[in-house]
Amino acid sequence: ETGVTQSPTHLIKTRGQQVTLRCSSQSGHNTVSWYQQALGQGPQFIFQYYREEENGRGNFPPRFSGLQFPNYSSELNVNALELDDSALYLCASSLFQGRDEKLFFGSGTQLSVL
Amino acid sequence: AQTVTQSQPEMSVQEAETVTLSCTYDTSESDYYLFWYKQPPSRQMILVIRQEAYKQQNATENRFSVNFQKAAKSFSLKISDSQLGDAAMYFCAYRSASGGADGLTFGKGTHLIIQP
Repeated sequence: ETGVTQSPTHLIKTRGQQVTLRCSSQSGHNTVSWYQQALGQGPQFIFQYYREEENGRGNFPPRFSGLQFPNYSSELNVNALELDDSALYLCASSLFQGRDEKLFFGSGTQLSVL
Repeated sequence: AQTVTQSQPEMSVQEAETVTLSCTYDTSESDYYLFWYKQPPSRQMILVIRQEAYKQQNATENRFSVNFQKAAKSFSLKISDSQLGDAAMYFCAYRSASGGADGLTFGKGTHLIIQP
């Protein structure tokens, strides 16, 4: 058990809608990152938040946005959903300690866009 | 941009045997980390083993060991005495040590089947 929880576990939306996915990190972890895992693929890095500020982003459009809160929770928001957004979304939290940083992953939210 | 390639979509091994999963990567950096993650049906990514590029010694964790060939940009995972609980998707991943927040770059994964 990693101590990282994600909600909901499954979600069905229609094209054009907006969705918010939630992640609760381990207490004390100051960094959270989000990944998109399409079926049959490895996870792809969406973005990372450190102390409530986005400090890194992968090749994802601005309609993917996030928030990190002081209580170790975070959100991934996706606007104007497209069919290709159907995927497993994983969050990972860590306590940034330079070279000793270790990620703890949640079990993900499976998003289906119809 | 860094890339990670896993050329074996699926591997099968008899219980108690040894299996090796392959991974190659491409980078122009000299300082980085390499990882093997396990993803069981529960979908949670579990860290199996971690290697720092500046360390020449191969990492080991109990039954899991790696063969890190920096010049060849190869990073294979050896699982000894395979157990039924080892059955899962295995992902090789890369992360820069440059201090930037680039996240992990994953390969497409290898599905490991353990035959009883």
